[in-house]
Amino acid sequence: DADVTQTPRNRITKTGKRIMLECSQTKGHDRMYWYRQDPGLGLRLIYYSFDVKDINKGEISDGYSVSRQAQAKFSLSLESAIPNQTALYFCATSSTGPYNEQFFGPGTRLTVL
Amino acid sequence: DAKTTQPNSMESNEEEPVHLPCNHSTISGTDYIHWYRQLPSQGPEYVIHGLTSNVNNRMASLAIAEDRKSSTLILHRATLRDAAVYYCIPTNTGNQFYFGTGTSLTVIP
Repeated sequence: DADVTQTPRNRITKTGKRIMLECSQTKGHDRMYWYRQDPGLGLRLIYYSFDVKDINKGEISDGYSVSRQAQAKFSLSLESAIPNQTALYFCATSSTGPYNEQFFGPGTRLTVL
Repeated sequence: DAKTTQPNSMESNEEEPVHLPCNHSTISGTDYIHWYRQLPSQGPEYVIHGLTSNVNNRMASLAIAEDRKSSTLILHRATLRDAAVYYCIPTNTGNQFYFGTGTSLTVIP
């Protein structure tokens, strides 16, 4: 079984709808991240969490919110989806301490019509 | 965080070495240099990281310039499976990575 899983893998929704993307990990890591990737571009950090009670904004947090329900679960919400939020979304985890490698999930492809 | 400059794309013949350069002239003394790669339709995966000394692992080698303003990821024998986008990421905040557009590596059979 994959160490970092994301659900759903693909989602098509309409403008104005609320959407939740979920991430679960079995690696026992404290740190979790949400990234967004647009076509032809690198990943941009949306939010990150160093433990259950620690949530931080990343580079592009506007229009998104997150919830860290447990050490193993980190959800990303779009309260009112808009077309320019169409992108590939990745969740990642890492262990505590600097400079440790991040492990990425398979991604969720979100299309907002 | 340090700005990086990488070639948009590179090509290599299969089973030949590949040298992927990265310029990071604004790197700070405490920045580690991370390299990740993203295979088609997958999330990024860790390749290697280093601070000052050259580093080797089973996937690749990392050569860091003496002034640390540039580094080179070396794949010793490129395979078709190495075709990916390679990202160079200097960072001193531990886990806040800023991915650029990376270098798209094409491996020619």
